[in-house]
Amino acid sequence: DGGITQSPKYLFRKEGQNVTLSCEQNLNHDAMYWYRQDPGQGLRLIYYSQIVNDFQKGDIAEGYSVSREKKESFPLTVTSAQKNPTAFYLCASSVTGTGLADTQYFGPGTRLTVL
Amino acid sequence: QQQVKQSPQSLIVQKGGISIINCAYENTAFDYFPWYQQFPGKGPALLIAIRPDVSEKKEGRFTISFNKSAKQFSLHIMDSQPGDSATYFCAASLNAGKSTFGDGTTLTVKP
Repeated sequence: DGGITQSPKYLFRKEGQNVTLSCEQNLNHDAMYWYRQDPGQGLRLIYYSQIVNDFQKGDIAEGYSVSREKKESFPLTVTSAQKNPTAFYLCASSVTGTGLADTQYFGPGTRLTVL
Repeated sequence: QQQVKQSPQSLIVQKGGISIINCAYENTAFDYFPWYQQFPGKGPALLIAIRPDVSEKKEGRFTISFNKSAKQFSLHIMDSQPGDSATYFCAASLNAGKSTFGDGTTLTVKP
């Protein structure tokens, strides 16, 4: 079965802790993305990567960090510097990171709650 | 500055009716306009998409109408069904694949 997996589905964090959200894809896609979804605000881009070992900040990168050491993996770390991290986090991938824009395939999401 | 504006925020339609959701964009360089459907607790999934060289695309009960001069595009759902109840997002992309999303429309189809 090809697709994108995210883990865990639910995550609880105490204030001051860093947490890492996992995203894996077996679609052989070059580009991967992280979005944050809050009620009534749509999807906001946190980070994206068009190729291994390279990534760019999105619109709301402050308080987050990523790595792209393997084509199939793009983990997101929510650091203690992110003041309001409670949200639904979505990972996505697409075939090409350059050239014509294309469909994004989304994972099932991770719901992060700060206690 | 929001580059893609979506309306309405919520929509209630009777079963069998037509659901219409509108989006307006600002950047004329966008070259891909997809609509995504999202059910509660799930990730969005592509519903239908269009490129700016055509004015309309139809797939089953779903149609995108695209007006390049007005910088607007819309989703029409014909014969709306209760199973269509979901949140719909329009998006616009450049050649880098990075998408800008609208704020979403929550559609409720009443039986």
